[in-house]
Amino acid sequence: DQQVKQNSPSLSVQEGRISILNCDYTNSMFDYFLWYKKYPAEGPTFLISISSIKDKNEDGRFTVFLNKSAKHLSLHIVPSQPGDSAVYFCAATGGRSQGNLIFGKGTKLSVKP
Amino acid sequence: EADIYQTPRYLVIGTGKKITLECSQTMGHDKMYWYQQDPGMELHLIHYSYGVNSTEKGDLSSESTVSRIRTEHFPLTLESARPSHTSQYLCASSEARGGRETQYFGPGTRLLVL
Repeated sequence: DQQVKQNSPSLSVQEGRISILNCDYTNSMFDYFLWYKKYPAEGPTFLISISSIKDKNEDGRFTVFLNKSAKHLSLHIVPSQPGDSAVYFCAATGGRSQGNLIFGKGTKLSVKP
Repeated sequence: EADIYQTPRYLVIGTGKKITLECSQTMGHDKMYWYQQDPGMELHLIHYSYGVNSTEKGDLSSESTVSRIRTEHFPLTLESARPSHTSQYLCASSEARGGRETQYFGPGTRLLVL
């Protein structure tokens, strides 16, 4: 049973527009959430994280929003750039995961020039 | 950000061979991890370590084994490779901070077993 779900396998966005990647989780004990970006044949790169005591965290073009009541988080990229084209993984930890991360299946973002 | 290295980056090997995937990090991180990932799928944790002489099995059952004799080094071994072991193997490390840890990943090893 997947505890972290990314229901959109792919997303296509025009350069300069906003990209919104979504993630849902089922475990109410999760209290720390992370987004990673992954290019083919490379390891994931950490992008941004958010603790459950916050509902928003911003870093440059990247903003993560957390809605604890809905068990939902989203990553906003504004403006989107062609170099943002990659697979984005949502991850969560907390409770019995003992610091280990639980990953979603990823969303492949394509930013078209 | 952690400096974490994996070798080889790509490996094609025949069934039955013994292989060791190397992982080293230079940040002195206590925790290290091995994940397995197939295209379009989530990363599955197969092994992790809290520090020297500590190894634990992850959520995904794996026929591989690991060792942690030095803080910076966390190799993964497959005694007898099979085609079902074909996958990408990702190593990561983090500074243990009571659960709110950011893991940093190496570049991965793509393994193909013929």
